[in-house]
Amino acid sequence: GNSVTQMEGPVTLSEEAFLTINCTYTATGYPSLFWYVQYPGEGLQLLLKATKADDKGSNKGFEATYRKETTSFHLEKGSVQVSDSAVYFCALWADSNYQLIWGAGTKLIIKP
Amino acid sequence: DGGITQSPKYLFRKEGQNVTLSCEQNLNHDAMYWYRQDPGQGLRLIYYSQIVNDFQKGDIAEGYSVSREKKESFPLTVTSAQKNPTAFYLCASSISPTVDEQYFGPGTRLTVT
Repeated sequence: GNSVTQMEGPVTLSEEAFLTINCTYTATGYPSLFWYVQYPGEGLQLLLKATKADDKGSNKGFEATYRKETTSFHLEKGSVQVSDSAVYFCALWADSNYQLIWGAGTKLIIKP
Repeated sequence: DGGITQSPKYLFRKEGQNVTLSCEQNLNHDAMYWYRQDPGQGLRLIYYSQIVNDFQKGDIAEGYSVSREKKESFPLTVTSAQKNPTAFYLCASSISPTVDEQYFGPGTRLTVT
């Protein structure tokens, strides 16, 4: 079946550090892949997406590349800010039943 | 501004009482969803609706009920049969059930004691 696995958090970094949050997936076919972000006490916001192999999604300095050969969609940012502190969710769109399949979320803490 | 509203933001209930969580959208979206979020877990789908007057159970529908009488509204009732109702509840919508991008409301935190 379809599934998404994210690295466990919390991930704690200093401001201006390089960020990587790992996400791997299991799916049949060619699912669309997403990163959503949830700031404290809020709902989720779409951060970026990619719909086919080798696509790179990017937004607000974050980027992720759809790697079919490694079934991965790792989130990266070159220089994080305190305001990036949030929970990040990786997800895939399952065409088979038109549902989003979610990872467990990774909490990111950025210290000044 | 278009968006999804959920009310209230915080809700407290005694065990054994039913409670209804509101979700309204003015995005003219056909599909609407209810998710439950627990600490350290991903989102779990409770119910979804692809069109007015139609809805389907998600992965964890037991103890919950919904209605979809209007396109804009998709209220969720947490019944007394739900064994562990304390959680953060998120409502979402998408333009159509086959479109992958979902837009989320701000959530309702329900505490049952």
